[in-house]
Amino acid sequence: DARVTQTPRHKVTEMGQEVTMRCQPILGHNTVFWYRQTMMQGLELLAYFRNRAPLDDSGMPKDRFSAEMPDATLATLKIQPSEPRDSAVYFCASGNREDTEAFFGQGTRLTVV
Amino acid sequence: LAKTTQPISMDSYEGQEVNITCSHNNIATNDYITWYQQFPSQGPRFIIQGYKTKVTNEVASLFIPADRKSSTLSLPRVSLSDTAVYYCLVGSQDDKIIFGKGTRLHILP
Repeated sequence: DARVTQTPRHKVTEMGQEVTMRCQPILGHNTVFWYRQTMMQGLELLAYFRNRAPLDDSGMPKDRFSAEMPDATLATLKIQPSEPRDSAVYFCASGNREDTEAFFGQGTRLTVV
Repeated sequence: LAKTTQPISMDSYEGQEVNITCSHNNIATNDYITWYQQFPSQGPRFIIQGYKTKVTNEVASLFIPADRKSSTLSLPRVSLSDTAVYYCLVGSQDDKIIFGKGTRLHILP
């Protein structure tokens, strides 16, 4: 059963620390999305990649967030330094350009204290 | 990307048919209409997608009028487990997938 895998599922960290979230997209998918979800803002698109190349990261705070795809099986989202306002659930999703359907992981619940 | 408008919340009872309508007046020729469902503590899940007229699968039906400026997601005989947030999205294959606020559906016993 193919699925998007995100690690860790939960992360509590102190303000100022670096946080790295990882995502393994479904094998064969060529598009990867990173979203952040909070009660106030809902689901926000942070960045997305196609064939490992970043297409749009305009939703991401550039000074502290970075997203990469070191290879086709791994996407990372890094926050450095983290702040309490970064507390949210971060979702990764993958899909194929031809389908317009995105498959979501279970999310990483980040709490910055 | 076409803007979508859908009700913030809806209540219904078990066994009823639920229809959630989404407005997308600026839909483009290449755009598809896609609906996702999200349960608490889970990521959104694709439900159904269509371009025109009617699409039906094992979960829902999607009705799209000829002008395509709106669409209706129909959930037949809902149960308590259908309580979730439902998102209507409009876009083409080359678009990024943007979610609005969605419709919070609450099914009552």
